[in-house]
Parts: sequence; structure tokens; C-alpha cells
Amino acid sequence: GEDVEQSLFLSVREGDSSVINCTYTDSSSTYLYWYKQEPGAGLQLLTYIFSNMDMKQDQRLTVLLNKKDKHLSLRIADTQTGDSAIYFCAESRGSGYSTLTFGKGTMLLVSP
Amino acid sequence: DGGITQSPKYLFRKEGQNVTLSCEQNLNHDAMYWYRQDPGQGLRLIYYSQIVNDFQKGDIAEGYSVSREKKESFPLTVTSAQKNPTAFYLCASSKGGGGGLNYGYTFGSGTRLTVV
Repeated sequence: GEDVEQSLFLSVREGDSSVINCTYTDSSSTYLYWYKQEPGAGLQLLTYIFSNMDMKQDQRLTVLLNKKDKHLSLRIADTQTGDSAIYFCAESRGSGYSTLTFGKGTMLLVSP
Repeated sequence: DGGITQSPKYLFRKEGQNVTLSCEQNLNHDAMYWYRQDPGQGLRLIYYSQIVNDFQKGDIAEGYSVSREKKESFPLTVTSAQKNPTAFYLCASSKGGGGGLNYGYTFGSGTRLTVV
């Protein structure tokens, strides 16, 4: 399989937690990444997780990886209006050099 | 500060013309990439280069060409053969393989190309 799948849209209220989900199909994926894109800008690397980890926490961000189900999630605690953006998950495959494969992105809208 | 610079930010092209998008990085990264972004399509890989004087086609290379004469520079030419060139183009770089932060991409701020 080639695709990285994400839901297209998520809407939350300021102060709530946001959970953005991603599924991937390649069991040889070694690293999985989360990127953020604000309107009209490039992508900014938020965090990444190695495939032998289950969880990684970085301030308000928590990444959960279920390797058995090939499911990745990004939780943003205390979501702020400045978190409104498109979030992409991406995977690198195999142990050697490979390009990243990106999902189509989830648009997060945070309302006051 | 190190970074990756794309220029111009906006570009207008007449049908039948070739245009070249610039991408320069001063991060000393070995690998560089070009992606195309369309609404609802996510990012699609056009070309990538692991080292100077070498590059490979990505998923949608038809109608595009690249060169990698210097480590810092990876220009993309959109030729008249590209049937639907209007899109947002993103350049990225990485240290190379190996995973983790070495493999995470640093992106430029993009060039929006419009065919008029």
C-alpha cells in the first residue's frame, strides 16, 4: 500500500484538546512525522516518533503510535486559535534512504 | 540563521512559456526536494536529489525538469509540457537518510504559480 490517510477536517473550541488521526499502510515505516502548515506558508516540523516507540510527549503535543493497527495520532492539549492550520502526517519507509510520503492533511479550525 | 529560501513568492506565466522556480538552502543539507500542493491533494513529489549532480523523478515528474549543480541550489523548471501548472510549489531539504531529525525536512515558504 502507498497511501497515508487522514481525516480532512476537525473543528474544536479554544481550550479543548484536539486529536488528529492518521493511518499508514507500510509496516516497514521507520519514522513518522507531524508537520503544521499555516495559510500561504511552507510546512513546519512539529515532532516525530520512531517506530519502536508507543508515545512521545513534547509540551502540549502528544504523539501516540499503534504499530499493530498502523495508526498514528497527534493530540494538542489546551488548543489555541493560533493552532488553526493544516496538519500533515508523513512516513519514511525502510532502513535506507527514502523520501517522505505525506497524507493529504487535516485542517484544524479552532473557534473562540 | 540557516534556512531555505524560495523565490519568487508569486509567479505568473503565460501558456506555452517555461518558468524556473528558485530554491536555495544554507543548511548544508545533502538532499533537496520539490513538491506540488493542490487543494485537497496534499503534497506530491516532483523531483528529489540526494547529492550534487544527481536527481530522481518523483511521482509527477512529467512536464518538469531540475538541475543540481551546487549543493545549495535546486531550481525547478516548469515547462510548457506541464498541462496544469497552476499550483503551490514547495521546496524542502534534509541532511539525508538515517531517520529522526536528520531525515525531517525543512521547507521553504513556497512559490504560488499561476498560468494566465
